Amino acid sequence: EIVLTQSPATLSLSPGERATLSCRASQSVSSYLAWYQQKPGQAPRLLIYDTSNRATGIPARFSGSGSGADFTLTISSLEPEDFAVYYCQQRWSWPGTFGQGTKVEIK
Amino acid sequence: EVQLVESGGGLVQPGGSLSLSCATSGFTFSSYAMSWVRQAPGKGLEWVSAIDASGVNTNYVDSVKGRFTISRDKSKNTLYLQMNSLRAEDTAVYYCAKQSYSGGAGPFDNWGQGALVTVSP
Repeated sequence: EIVLTQSPATLSLSPGERATLSCRASQSVSSYLAWYQQKPGQAPRLLIYDTSNRATGIPARFSGSGSGADFTLTISSLEPEDFAVYYCQQRWSWPGTFGQGTKVEIK
Repeated sequence: EVQLVESGGGLVQPGGSLSLSCATSGFTFSSYAMSWVRQAPGKGLEWVSAIDASGVNTNYVDSVKGRFTISRDKSKNTLYLQMNSLRAEDTAVYYCAKQSYSGGAGPFDNWGQGALVTVSP
C-alpha cells in the first residue's frame, strides 16, 4: 500500500497570503495524484487531478505541481472560502490511498 | 447536473448488516467507475471499494475484504454497498463518489452528501 504523507498538518495564514501544501508518497505514483478540499459538514470537492489539471469550475488561484513521489498544491492568494482541509490521493495503485490532510486555518 | 444521493445509513449492532444505496442522475451511469469512500468521526478520508463501469471488476481495502460487497444496477442508475459482520471501527460517514474514468482508483469528481453508519451495541 502506498502511504501519502502531507505536510504541514496545519497551516496558519491570513487572507491574501500564498499557501503551499506538500504531499509525499512512499513510492512513485507517476503523475496520478489528486487534491481535494473539504469544509466542515461537507463532502470533499475535487480541485486538481493528475498532478496539475484543475477540475471543472476550480479557480486559477489553485495549482498543482510535482512528479514521482513529491507533489505540491499552491493557493496563490487565499480567499476567505479557501480555509478548509485539503487531502491528496493517489490512483497509481490499489488501494487508492489518501493523505492524512492539511488544515489551512485563519491566522 | 450530476447528483449522487446516498441512503440506508443508521445504527447497527456489532456483527450486524447494513446496505447502502446511492441513486445517481445527470450523467451516463454505465460509463463511469464508482467508489465508496468513508470518513470516521473527526478523521481523514479512506477509500473503501470501487467498481468499474462494466460492473465486472471490483476492489476493496483490506480491512473490509470478505465483509463488504459493492455492486451496481445500470437499469436503476444506482450503486450499492452491502456491509456484513460490521465492527465498531466501520463507524463513519460513507460517501458515494463518481470517478472520472471507466476504471481505476480515481479521481473522484463528484460526491454524494454522505450516509452515517454507526456500529454500536
